[in-house]
Amino acid sequence: EPEVTQTPSHQVTQMGQEVILRCVPISNHLYFYWYRQILGQKVEFLVSFYNNEISEKSEIFDDQFSVERPDGSNFTLKIRSTKLEDSAMYFCASSRAANTGELFFGEGSRLTVL
Amino acid sequence: GENVEQHPSTLSVQEGDSAVIKCTYSDSASNYFPWYKQELGKGPQLIIDIRSNVGEKKDQRIAVTLNKTAKHFSLHITETQPEDSAVYFCAASKDTNAGKSTFGDGTTLTVKP
Repeated sequence: EPEVTQTPSHQVTQMGQEVILRCVPISNHLYFYWYRQILGQKVEFLVSFYNNEISEKSEIFDDQFSVERPDGSNFTLKIRSTKLEDSAMYFCASSRAANTGELFFGEGSRLTVL
Repeated sequence: GENVEQHPSTLSVQEGDSAVIKCTYSDSASNYFPWYKQELGKGPQLIIDIRSNVGEKKDQRIAVTLNKTAKHFSLHITETQPEDSAVYFCAASKDTNAGKSTFGDGTTLTVKP
């Protein structure tokens, strides 16, 4: 069964450092998303991406964040200068279309900022 | 924006009993309501969803009901099994952008053998 894969599974970084989280969405999916889950809290929408551009973003997704689809398979989330409060599990998800609803989530990348 | 509230935060049942988790939403324009199961160390996995043109949907031991007027929807799991133990999240979105979902706080379900 096709799945969304994410790397790294866990990254520890120092405050102020740049971090890139990588995702390989399901191959025939067209819509890509990043969500965040702070430990013990709800899953929060960060950004959606379609046709090589951001289609929507939340207030969490400020100028420190960026997304990119550098090639035909990868979808990346970059945090330019990490803060302590960026520590969370970051989930990538993909879907076939915007209105079919079903999101397929990866297993997440845990980011720890020290 | 949309606000989704979910209750209870924890739920413990005996194997074979039923479990019910309830959510309310605030935005009457929301029309797509998925439920996700999240096992430890994994990403959320869709288990069932319902759209606002339907009042109830069932898939084997899992059912979801939706009351548009009251803006609440519920997940029902019958004949619970230990492998049902997980965190369950409800969510709400507009199907024009179903990927931008607002999640509830989650319910930790424990099924005791």
